Amino acid sequence: DTEVTQTPKHLVMGMTNKKSLKCEQHMGHRAMYWYKQKAKKPPELMFVYSYEKLSINESVPSRFSPECPNSSLLNLHLHALQPEDSALYLCASSQGYMSTDTQYFGPGTRLTVL
Amino acid sequence: GENVEQHPSTLSVQEGDSAVIKCTYSDSASNYFPWYKQELGKRPQLIIDIRSNVGEKKDQRIAVTLNKTAKHFSLHITETQPEDSAVYFCAASRRGGSQGNLIFGKGTKLSVKP
Repeated sequence: DTEVTQTPKHLVMGMTNKKSLKCEQHMGHRAMYWYKQKAKKPPELMFVYSYEKLSINESVPSRFSPECPNSSLLNLHLHALQPEDSALYLCASSQGYMSTDTQYFGPGTRLTVL
Repeated sequence: GENVEQHPSTLSVQEGDSAVIKCTYSDSASNYFPWYKQELGKRPQLIIDIRSNVGEKKDQRIAVTLNKTAKHFSLHITETQPEDSAVYFCAASRRGGSQGNLIFGKGTKLSVKP
């Protein structure tokens, strides 16, 4: 398996809802990432997990809460989001944790906050 | 910190022509430069990358060149086809930098007209 998978593909939620995004890879990669991508913009890094430990949090609001249950899975828990949080949420993974390791992206979850 | 500028923001070519996209970076310590292709509604997909110990890399119709002195790198696509139409992002990351610290350019929308 050489892919990063994400579920769900689409998610619509209200500002009071709690939902979770899921990401999975079976390539034995030891680093996993969450990115946010607004329309016509490049991906923006949110979080980095290395060896299942959170190593980077790019000053993301606490309404986004990442979790790495094991080396293959990465979740992003969402609570009390704002309409401006609507975006494509991309997961990525890389073999190692060095900045020069190639990152492979999942297909993304398109999130709409009403 | 690193800053990556990408030009042009849009590029339209006739099928069969060549396309060139240029990026400049500010941090001389950057040493890894991937290029991602993103079709509408899909994931960013790595198409080619280059490390700073190499000046040029080619993969079929795609090539990347790197000029470390001038701090710029370019993507060259020859014999363009309609399926090359997409948004292309360049990125740079720094030796010893924070893991996951890919800095993206703003993207180039390439349209290949049949």
